[in-house]
Amino acid sequence: GAGVSQSPRYKVAKRGQDVALRCDPISGHVSLFWYQQALGQGPEFLTYFQNEAQLDKSGLPSDRFFAERPEGSVSTLKIQRTQQEDSAVYLCASSPGAQAQPQHFGDGTRLSIL
Amino acid sequence: RKEVEQDPGPFNVPEGATVAFNCTYSNSASQSFFWYRQDCRKEPKLLMSVYSSGNEDGRFTAQLNRASQYISLLIRDSKLSDSATYLCVVLDNYGQNFVFGPGTRLSVLP
Repeated sequence: GAGVSQSPRYKVAKRGQDVALRCDPISGHVSLFWYQQALGQGPEFLTYFQNEAQLDKSGLPSDRFFAERPEGSVSTLKIQRTQQEDSAVYLCASSPGAQAQPQHFGDGTRLSIL
Repeated sequence: RKEVEQDPGPFNVPEGATVAFNCTYSNSASQSFFWYRQDCRKEPKLLMSVYSSGNEDGRFTAQLNRASQYISLLIRDSKLSDSATYLCVVLDNYGQNFVFGPGTRLSVLP
């Protein structure tokens, strides 16, 4: 497609379950970013990939969060043993070059942990 | 102190009004600055980049003051469709990390 695609759009899980969120960036985009957005807040940086290399994961809130982009295109954000505080919208963005030029965002995955 | 701070809002203005949003950032080495707009339950979308000399795009004017570490967005002749949250975004000095402000919500009323 033409834009950044994320799936699922909505995810409901019970506390303690593992979840996996998918991001399909714009074709050919080198940089890929994951953000977490709580209600009423701006997006908070989680992690950044340049092709398949994860160059910055300083924003991941705990070791329960793991992201990968094995072939430099599609990325998966995995959250293990989910907690209620993980409930948020998870946004993926991509940009064409190696630096964070203006980013194109996907619609996000709205995660609710019960 | 947060890296990027914005007017808390919300701003409720009548159609046709002029409204200005302010944003301050703490990292003096920040490279680039942007305004994004986010509609309710939608993804952020780039509104405009902010250049050192200031720039204008139709009814929107962005200003940057590096000495005061301050960015502004002015919207003239506001329309109902301008209702959204406006996010100030700062690119750090490594050129890899976008830092978003908390956003300022604008409601333009008929």
